[in-house]
Amino acid sequence: AQTVTQSQPEMSVQEAETVTLSCTYDTSESDYYLFWYKQPPSRQMILVIRQEAYKQQNATENRFSVNFQKAAKSFSLKISDSQLGDAAMYFCAYRRYNTNAGKSTFGDGTTLTVKP
Amino acid sequence: EAQVTQNPRYLITVTGKKLTVTCSQNMNHEYMSWYRQDPGLGLRQIYYSMNVEVTDKGDVPEGYKVSRKEKRNFPLILESPSPNQTSLYFCASSLSIPRLNTGELFFGEGSRLTVL
Repeated sequence: AQTVTQSQPEMSVQEAETVTLSCTYDTSESDYYLFWYKQPPSRQMILVIRQEAYKQQNATENRFSVNFQKAAKSFSLKISDSQLGDAAMYFCAYRRYNTNAGKSTFGDGTTLTVKP
Repeated sequence: EAQVTQNPRYLITVTGKKLTVTCSQNMNHEYMSWYRQDPGLGLRQIYYSMNVEVTDKGDVPEGYKVSRKEKRNFPLILESPSPNQTSLYFCASSLSIPRLNTGELFFGEGSRLTVL
């Protein structure tokens, strides 16, 4: 079974600084998706960024970027120029591509605090 | 507006009283899934459906039932709720995999269930 591990239950960052959230996963599959979702106090789950495993290039979305290391099964999220609105719980998630694509696995989450 | 709608958003009930949490999506998605979120445990998958009349167990299916009679609806049924089913529940949908799709899950706003 796939597992996703977020080793940092809580992180904090100063406004305008950069922070990196860690995620490791375990799978025997070669094709899969990885995601970072943000959950603000409103509870809504919001997609932050997505990475397809077959792509070597790291995904970026404005201030958000990932460091995807497929061999190491690592998928960290970097938030640059942190803003107060970035404060939320962040979940790393794994989803298979084709076979048994119904299953998805989430990490336990990292609560990010942004200090003004 | 594209959305996943869950009802009720909040519910307090008593042990053993059957309840249904409804989930409806208007994006013509084949795939739908239910998750529960508990503190420190992230999101855990309960059941999922790859298409109409096709459902399968996730990681924590015990005590839950689902059905998928229509493409847009995927209700979660608790036949005899117990206090350990007190949780925040999310419904999600997506296009089916194959590879050309993004794999992104679209989430409802969550349903907070308390079983006394």
